Amino acid sequence: TQLLEQSPQFLSIQEGENLTVYCNSSSVFSSLQWYRQEPGEGPVLLVTVVTGGEVKKLKRLTFQFGDARKDSSLHITAAQTGDTGLYLCAGAGRLVFGQGTRLTINP
Amino acid sequence: DVKVTQSSRYLVKRTGEKVFLECVQDMDHENMFWYRQDPGLGLRLIYFSYDVKMKEKGDIPEGYSVSREKKERFSLILESASTNQTSMYLCASRRGGANYGYTFGSGTRLTVV
Repeated sequence: TQLLEQSPQFLSIQEGENLTVYCNSSSVFSSLQWYRQEPGEGPVLLVTVVTGGEVKKLKRLTFQFGDARKDSSLHITAAQTGDTGLYLCAGAGRLVFGQGTRLTINP
Repeated sequence: DVKVTQSSRYLVKRTGEKVFLECVQDMDHENMFWYRQDPGLGLRLIYFSYDVKMKEKGDIPEGYSVSREKKERFSLILESASTNQTSMYLCASRRGGANYGYTFGSGTRLTVV
């Protein structure tokens, strides 16, 4: 049983479009983290969200932690080809990762 | 630049061989982890360690063992490699405390033939 469900699993859009990916669970987490992984490399931490309702921005990326601390979203504005990669969410405490969203940004 | 270094990027081993995957971190992190990553299954935790000589089973420990004799080094051992252990293996370290992020190595792609 996957404790963290990510959706969609695959997303392919054109450069310049906006997108949102989701990370959902029935469990409460003390924090959630988002990572990006490029082919042939390990995941790299993008952000940690700790407080329910928290919103963090990293340039064109906006991360939100749900009020109940069971879900999170990642919104990318004006996607660029460099955003292509596998996006993973991870829940603190239970050492569990979602299965990932494979994002492809087409020029 | 802080680093987690995995000894091999690619390995090909025969069924039944004993395989050692080595991981070294230079950040003085207390916690170290071994995950395997398979398409559609995401990252699954094999073993982790909160301190030297300590180890805890993760979600899929069967067929694996680990060793942590020094704080900076965490080794994953496949006692008798099997084809279903063909995978990408990722080592990570983290400071103590659940809210800190992981630093991952670049991974070892192991093929068992």
